[in-house]
Amino acid sequence: KNEVEQSPQNLTAQEGEFITINCSYSVGISALHWLQQHPGGGIVSLFMLSSGKKKHGRLIATINIQEKHSSLHITASHPRDSAVYICAVGRTDKLIFGTGTRLQVFP
Amino acid sequence: KAGVTQTPRYLIKTRGQQVTLSCSPISGHRSVSWYQQTPGQGLQFLFEYFSETQRNKGNFPGRFSGRQFSNSRSEMNVSTLELGDSALYLCASSLGLTGTATNEKLFFGSGTQLSVL
Repeated sequence: KNEVEQSPQNLTAQEGEFITINCSYSVGISALHWLQQHPGGGIVSLFMLSSGKKKHGRLIATINIQEKHSSLHITASHPRDSAVYICAVGRTDKLIFGTGTRLQVFP
Repeated sequence: KAGVTQTPRYLIKTRGQQVTLSCSPISGHRSVSWYQQTPGQGLQFLFEYFSETQRNKGNFPGRFSGRQFSNSRSEMNVSTLELGDSALYLCASSLGLTGTATNEKLFFGSGTQLSVL
């Protein structure tokens, strides 16, 4: 079993829909990162969470340390949100990555 | 503020050869970490350097090595290339160690796409 599990693996949505991507982990962590990767490879760091909730524009990220679970929400989704979203948990010695969620938003 | 710069962008090598990849972090960042990304295995941690010292290493063979210079620039080296080393190699820079909660963000380079023939 992977130490970091993401769901769903693939997600399609119509423009304007509310989207949720989930990340569960089985190890103790110092921090959790949500990353976005567009075709072509470039990775952008969206959020770092160690507790609670963060919001940036249409993106909201939450983490429940006790339940070892985090969610990334996208409100009013747009075709430009189409990308792979990756959860990465930070331990003192390294980052461990989930397998990613491929999101496609259609107009 | 300049971003993280990785060179070269693309590289084609043959089995048995050696390759060196370069990563220049954001000014002021002391941590550089390296990752391998393949379609089958996803993103995997290679190693991390902080203030010229290797702090952590992933589960990769000794053919994968790296170093960090006093200006925080880092290089990674892969010797005796194998077909399975074909991958996108990414580096990230940050103020503190990547696994800690000291970093609000990680900054990734565009990667080096290595093809081994």
